[in-house]
Amino acid sequence: GAVVSQHPSRVICKSGTSVKIECRSLDFQATTMFWYRQFPKKSLMLMATSNEGSKATYEQGVEKDKFLINHASLTLSTLTVTSAHPEDSSFYICSPITSSYNEQFFGPGTRLTVL
Amino acid sequence: DAKTTQPNSMESNEEEPVHLPCNHSTISGTDYIHWYRQLPSQGPEYVIHGLTSNVNNRMASLAIAEDRKSSTLILHRATLRDAAVYYCILRDENAGNMLTFGGGTRLMVKP
Repeated sequence: GAVVSQHPSRVICKSGTSVKIECRSLDFQATTMFWYRQFPKKSLMLMATSNEGSKATYEQGVEKDKFLINHASLTLSTLTVTSAHPEDSSFYICSPITSSYNEQFFGPGTRLTVL
Repeated sequence: DAKTTQPNSMESNEEEPVHLPCNHSTISGTDYIHWYRQLPSQGPEYVIHGLTSNVNNRMASLAIAEDRKSSTLILHRATLRDAAVYYCILRDENAGNMLTFGGGTRLMVKP
């Protein structure tokens, strides 16, 4: 299957700081990127969808000014959690797809802990 | 996306077959049935998908009921590495590409 990387895999930060998570599709061009988050023992919840070169579309209840998404190239997308608070502690997972696909690939996830 | 219903958890013995059920009574004609699994502290990975006919691949088999209102993921010989949360998801090919995850079934494999 396709190779998707996320960096960092784990981050601990102080409340009020910003954290940037990178997602790379290593062997295919991602025209669309989905960002999910997952709280402990819960399922994945879609946060936003971005297409390369355009603004992201956010799901209801997700603040676009808090979770900044940049999808400037077909192989890289970033999610920045601005002014992080303890309630933002979660497992963040990216999912890049091509314009035609049968299976959706997922990154390995980034575990964010905000103290 | 149409809703799916799965048991919260199941147990299996190592090297025995496992049948993971999924109900999707409101499935529409354009919905594909996808199965993904998520190992602890990892992103989900694709397992198998189908539309009407049963499907086999190296990981599992997918048995789809004739009326398509239910399906079963079959792991032929469970290993300890198969312990994961298994998600049954319906994806409408005409309504966008993203997958919407339900609660899934947590499979525990006993040695």
